[in-house]
Amino acid sequence: DQQVKQNSPSLSVQEGRISILNCDYTNSMFDYFLWYKKYPAEGPTFLISISSIKDKNEDGRFTVFLNKSAKHLSLHIVPSQPGDSAVYFCAARRRDDKIIFGKGTRLHILP
Amino acid sequence: KAGVTQTPRYLIKTRGQQVTLSCSPISGHRSVSWYQQTPGQGLQFLFEYFSETQRNKGNFPGRFSGRQFSNSRSEMNVSTLELGDSALYLCASSPDVLVGGITQYFGPGTRLTVL
Repeated sequence: DQQVKQNSPSLSVQEGRISILNCDYTNSMFDYFLWYKKYPAEGPTFLISISSIKDKNEDGRFTVFLNKSAKHLSLHIVPSQPGDSAVYFCAARRRDDKIIFGKGTRLHILP
Repeated sequence: KAGVTQTPRYLIKTRGQQVTLSCSPISGHRSVSWYQQTPGQGLQFLFEYFSETQRNKGNFPGRFSGRQFSNSRSEMNVSTLELGDSALYLCASSPDVLVGGITQYFGPGTRLTVL
């Protein structure tokens, strides 16, 4: 049973435009949500997180939105830059502190 | 500060063998977690160690085990290797136990291939 789903395996966005990466979850027992970015041959790098009691968190070009009623979160990157091309993982922390990751979305930023 | 280091970076084993992977966390970090990444399943949590104690465990068979030493370095062991164990094994460290918004810092991973 996949508790954290990233339904788009890949996404292509023009440089300078907004990239929107989506994530759905099924378990209401998650209390924190996190986004990680991964380049080939490197480990994931933490980007931004949001508590389940909030609906938005912003850090520079990155904003995460949480819609609890829809069990949906999204990561917005504005403006998209070439260095943003990577695989993005959505993760959720359960109240027993286990972390569940989605399968990732590969973002391609087009020149 | 040096990042999380994992050794070896690449490993080839045959079915039935066992393997030990090593992880050195960022200096001062006391929590170490292990993950398995495969194309089909994405990143899956294996276990978390804090102060030499296993604090949490994912849904993996008993062939997967780990330990943490007093200097916070950690090892994971996989016995009786199966073809399906071929994966990238990632180690992550954090300053404290994984609660709330505390973040983890990942190493580059060990690529294990089982033939």
